[in-house]
Amino acid sequence: DTGVSQDPRHKITKRGQNVTFRCDPISEHNRLYWYRQTLGQGPEFLTYFQNEAQLEKSRLLSDRFSAERPKGSFSTLEIQRTEQGDSAMYLCASGNTGYTFGSGTRLTVV
Amino acid sequence: SQQGEEDPQALSIQEGENATMNCSYKTSINNLQWYRQNSGRGLVHLILIRSNEREKHSGRLRVTLDTSKKSSSLLITASRAADTASYFCATASYSGAGSYQLTFGKGTKLSVIP
Repeated sequence: DTGVSQDPRHKITKRGQNVTFRCDPISEHNRLYWYRQTLGQGPEFLTYFQNEAQLEKSRLLSDRFSAERPKGSFSTLEIQRTEQGDSAMYLCASGNTGYTFGSGTRLTVV
Repeated sequence: SQQGEEDPQALSIQEGENATMNCSYKTSINNLQWYRQNSGRGLVHLILIRSNEREKHSGRLRVTLDTSKKSSSLLITASRAADTASYFCATASYSGAGSYQLTFGKGTKLSVIP
């Protein structure tokens, strides 16, 4: 597989529940990003990994959000106690200069 | 926060015409990238132009970069209905602690009418 995979594609959850998304980047890519995109807007940066190190987190990433990239391979993004405002498309990208994006996970909090 | 601002926000043209989209940004950059996004899908990388380059071509795409004006343009020539999508510019710059920020604008929604 030569692309970035994200799982699940869609997630509907009740407010207050926890959700976890997974991203499998292209294997030789060191950099991995998580973005959030709402309707009609561009992707907003959430967090960035260089290999297994989380080097930067956006102020958008409240303490309910946590991301990991163990061993510098796949990454997970967890949202605890989801709120309706968390409804968005969550995009993962990997690369070294130009970036390859996954198809995203669309989260709907009801 | 979003650094890039695309202009126009929406553009509608006839198939075969050229489409030009502009992007302005605020801070110094290492490179600038353009992406395409079809409705509800992930982003597809189109082209990257480095800060020391002024123009780059890829197929029907032409990108210019003017670092003195902090602006870039994307030209799609001989447009096709399949070019209908949203187009985003993204600026890449090094920030502290070795971080490499990639910041997107709000996008231009292009509609190509057959």
